[in-house]
Amino acid sequence: GEDVEQSLFLSVREGDSSVINCTYTDSSSTYLYWYKQEPGAGLQLLTYIFSNMDMKQDQRLTVLLNKKDKHLSLRIADTQTGDSAIYFCAESWGYQKVTFGTGTKLQVIP
Amino acid sequence: DGGITQSPKYLFRKEGQNVTLSCEQNLNHDAMYWYRQDPGQGLRLIYYSQIVNDFQKGDIAEGYSVSREKKESFPLTVTSAQKNPTAFYLCASSIRRDRQNTEAFFGQGTRLTVV
Repeated sequence: GEDVEQSLFLSVREGDSSVINCTYTDSSSTYLYWYKQEPGAGLQLLTYIFSNMDMKQDQRLTVLLNKKDKHLSLRIADTQTGDSAIYFCAESWGYQKVTFGTGTKLQVIP
Repeated sequence: DGGITQSPKYLFRKEGQNVTLSCEQNLNHDAMYWYRQDPGQGLRLIYYSQIVNDFQKGDIAEGYSVSREKKESFPLTVTSAQKNPTAFYLCASSIRRDRQNTEAFFGQGTRLTVV
């Protein structure tokens, strides 16, 4: 079965880079996603990557995918206080449901 | 504007009552989902639907029911059988592309409190 794991908490100083990690078990995954959730709100899609890619960059966000180790990471450059939120990774394949990780709470210290 | 709308944003229910949460999307998405989120925790899937008039149980379906009579709508009923219904409920939808479901788009959530 599918399973997606993340560390629960990450604290960084403003201006530093943040790296949020995720591991998944389903090698059939075709799409892998990163979502951001601010307090009391729904999830906002930040970026996604196809499983045939190794890296995707979008402004301050860099996604790295290591298919061999089933490891996905999200790097946020020049982290700002507005980046404080919970970040979820997720995977999907075929007509199966999208499976979410447990979420990583990012705290940015001014 | 296209999007996914949940209502109401806040809902209070007395113990023993059923209550229905609304979820509507005008994105023409095939799949729709209901998740429950408890404080400090991730998302747990309650029910999902890949197509009209069809739905499947997720990981925590007990005490909940859904219907999918229209593509745009996927209401969730929290029944009195749900032992601990106080939570934040999130609805999502996703489109089918290249013969698979892709990124999910979320509503803003409904916070249900049992009083």
